[in-house]
Order: sequence, then C-alpha cells, then structure tokens
Amino acid sequence: DVKVTQSSRYLVKRTGEKVFLECVQDMDHENMFWYRQDPGLGLRLIYFSYDVKMKEKGDIPEGYSVSREKKERFSLILESASTNQTSMYLCASVRGRDTEAFFGQGTRLTVV
Amino acid sequence: DQQVKQNSPSLSVQEGRISILNCDYTNSMFDYFLWYKKYPAEGPTFLISISSIKDKNEDGRFTVFLNKSAKHLSLHIVPSQPGDSAVYFCAATNTGTASKLTFGTGTRLQVTL
Repeated sequence: DVKVTQSSRYLVKRTGEKVFLECVQDMDHENMFWYRQDPGLGLRLIYFSYDVKMKEKGDIPEGYSVSREKKERFSLILESASTNQTSMYLCASVRGRDTEAFFGQGTRLTVV
Repeated sequence: DQQVKQNSPSLSVQEGRISILNCDYTNSMFDYFLWYKKYPAEGPTFLISISSIKDKNEDGRFTVFLNKSAKHLSLHIVPSQPGDSAVYFCAATNTGTASKLTFGTGTRLQVTL
C-alpha cells in the first residue's frame, strides 16, 4: 500500500513564526501536492511538484513556499504564519500520469 | 472561480435508502472525474472514478454517472450504510496535463438509522 506520512497531526504556532510542514511518501511517486481544506471551500491546491527541485504554484500560493530536495519528501513552508493560515493541510502523491491521488492523514494547523 | 461545484453542503439519508451526491463542472477540458471520501481527522481516500468516454461506472454499492453535455456527474450509493457517513469530494482533471486534481467544496453525508 502507498503510504503518505505527514510529520504532525496537530500544530499550534504563533503569528509571525516560520512553519515547516513535512510530507514523505514511500512509493517513488513523481508528483506531490499540498492542499488546504477549509469549510465551504473544499480542497484548494497550494503548490505541487512534478520532480525533484521542481515546483509549480497552485491556486492559492500566496504566503507559502515549498521545497523538494528528494523525490520522497515535499515540504510546505509558511514564511510568516498568519491567523488566516489556520487550516487543515493535506499532502498527496500521484504516480506518473496516473489520476488517483494518495493523501496523508492531514495536519491541522492553528495560528494564534 | 470554482471550476468544480458541489451545491449541496450536506445530505441526510436513512440507512438502506439511496444517497445521491451531485457535482457540476465548468471546465470543458476536464476528461476524468473522481470521488473521494473523507472522515474527520483523516486524509481523503479514493472511492470511484469515471473517464469522459463513459457515462457510467459501477463498483459494488457505488455508481458514478456522467452527463457531459450538462457538465454534471453524480455519485449513487445504494443501499446507504451508517459507515458511509463522511464528507464526499468530487474532483476533476485533464489527463493530458496529468495528476493535478481540482476539487469541489464537498458534501457531508449523514446516514441515519
């Protein structure tokens, strides 16, 4: 089974802190994604990556950056956390040109 | 600009009855559609999908119907079970660009006893 693991289930950070969310997948998938889920807004794509050291902006990249130094790991960085970034963050991976995404368990981030 | 829309935020259905979840899309480039199920505090899990070359795909209790002319798809669950209570997300993609999914806003299904 594909496993996508996010480093934390719950995080509480202060406004202005730099926050790192880590995601690791164990199936050698080329493609990795970061989404956030908010009530009434569904899942919105923040950033994605088709290859190591490669990244592309999704629909809501403002306030975020990403890093993909190794194929199995995709990190989401909040440069200066703000309260409107309080959300559920979901990492996903997809093999090649497949369509099925495998998700991690999610990180619920609260910024106070 | 919401390219994939689920207009019903919630749905309540009795156990044993049919649940019908709807999804509309606006982007005519989408050619592959998926449904994901999400329990609280867990990541979404894949449920069923359909290619635009088909109008129906069935997997056990789950059937997805696609009406391309109306840009509409629906997920039928029959019979509904209490374990089906979850949030259901519709997603769409263009297989030419591959991988990148656009999700709807979700419908919370509650199956009552």
